[in-house]
Amino acid sequence: SQQGEEDPQALSIQEGENATMNCSYKTSINNLQWYRQNSGRGLVHLILIRSNEREKHSGRLRVTLDTSKKSSSLLITASRAADTASYFCATEPGAQKLVFGQGTRLTINP
Amino acid sequence: DTEVTQTPKHLVMGMTNKKSLKCEQHMGHRAMYWYKQKAKKPPELMFVYSYEKLSINESVPSRFSPECPNSSLLNLHLHALQPEDSALYLCASSQPYMAQYFGPGTRLLVL
Repeated sequence: SQQGEEDPQALSIQEGENATMNCSYKTSINNLQWYRQNSGRGLVHLILIRSNEREKHSGRLRVTLDTSKKSSSLLITASRAADTASYFCATEPGAQKLVFGQGTRLTINP
Repeated sequence: DTEVTQTPKHLVMGMTNKKSLKCEQHMGHRAMYWYKQKAKKPPELMFVYSYEKLSINESVPSRFSPECPNSSLLNLHLHALQPEDSALYLCASSQPYMAQYFGPGTRLLVL
C-alpha cells in the first residue's frame, strides 16, 4: 500500500517561478526521500532527509520535514524547463522498504 | 561508475513465453530492488535482495521469479504473464538505508 500522499497532483508554473510540492505520510520513518522521474524513464534521487533533520538544501532544492505533522515539502527555486517531470516522495518506514507517494506532475512553461 | 543498467529496454512477449529482465550495478551496493510501475502511478516494490539473499517479497505472483547470481547482478524471470503485467519494470540498488539508484527500466508489453 502507498503510504505517501502528495499535493498537488499536478502543478503548472512559468519558468523562473518557484514550485512547492507537499507530501504527507502515515507511519514513523527512518528517512524521507524525494525523486524525480522524466516521462516514463528511471527515477533520479534528489535529496534524502533523515527523521532527526528538519531542513536540507541541495542547489535549487529545499526540503523540509515535520515529523510531528508527518509531512514534508520540496521547494524548487527559479524553475527551468528542464525541471518538467514527476516528483515523488518516498518514505522508508524500515527494512529497506521504500514506499512512494502518488507523485506531483510538474510542468514548467517557457 | 554510478549507473544501474537494465536490459532489454523494451520487451514484447506472449502469455506463454519465458523471458528474463537483467539489471547490473558496479557501485558495490549490497541491496538491489525490483519495482513495477504502471502508467501515471508510483513505483511499487516487488522484491528486495540484501547481501544476495531475498529479504522482501511483496506478495508477488509466482510467475515473477527473482534471482541474484552475485552482488552486481539481478534478474527477473518472467513466465506465463498476463496482459495486466504490462508495465515499466525498474531495478534499483543502494547501500542499506541510503538513497536508491534506479536504472532506466524495461518497458514490458504482454500480449
